[in-house]
Amino acid sequence: DVKVTQSSRYLVKRTGEKVFLECVQDMDHENMFWYRQDPGLGLRLIYFSYDVKMKEKGDIPEGYSVSREKKERFSLILESASTNQTSMYLCASSPPGQFTDTQYFGPGTRLTVL
Amino acid sequence: DAKTTQPTSMDCAEGRAANLPCNHSTISGNEYVYWYRQIHSQGPQYIIHGLKNNETNEMASLIITEDRKSSTLILPHATLRDTAVYYCIVRGAWEAAGNKLTFGGGTRVLVKP
Repeated sequence: DVKVTQSSRYLVKRTGEKVFLECVQDMDHENMFWYRQDPGLGLRLIYFSYDVKMKEKGDIPEGYSVSREKKERFSLILESASTNQTSMYLCASSPPGQFTDTQYFGPGTRLTVL
Repeated sequence: DAKTTQPTSMDCAEGRAANLPCNHSTISGNEYVYWYRQIHSQGPQYIIHGLKNNETNEMASLIITEDRKSSTLILPHATLRDTAVYYCIVRGAWEAAGNKLTFGGGTRVLVKP
């Protein structure tokens, strides 16, 4: 079974702090994603990566950056956390595929910025 | 990606089959139907997907109508752990879809003892 793990289930940070969210997958997947999920707004893509050291902006990249130094690890960085970044953050991975694309999600990190 | 329409909520009795409908009348020929679910406070979980033919796996069955304008996810023997929000998604090829998942409102399924 694919396993996607995230470093924390719950995190509380203060405004202005630098925040690192780590995601690791064990299935050698090329593609990895960071989403945030908010009530009434659904799932929104922040960044994704289709290879080591490659990254692409999603729909809402502002205020975030990412790092993919190794294939299995995809990190989301909040350079200076703000209260509007309080959210559930979800990491996902998927194997390469042209016509089908099944994404496997981690358990999520619920981040609260005070 | 084509838009989908699902009922907002539905109840199901434990041990009975749960049939979750989804309308996707604007689906195009190369778009797949995917189902995910999200149990409270957890990440979304892939269930099943299909193009034209009916599909079955260890979790569920997917029935797609011949015109592909609607589909039904069937959980054959619902358990309390199947209580979740179920999302029906229609997606095209990687290049066209931009490889992001877009969840609509989904159907909130409550399995009752």
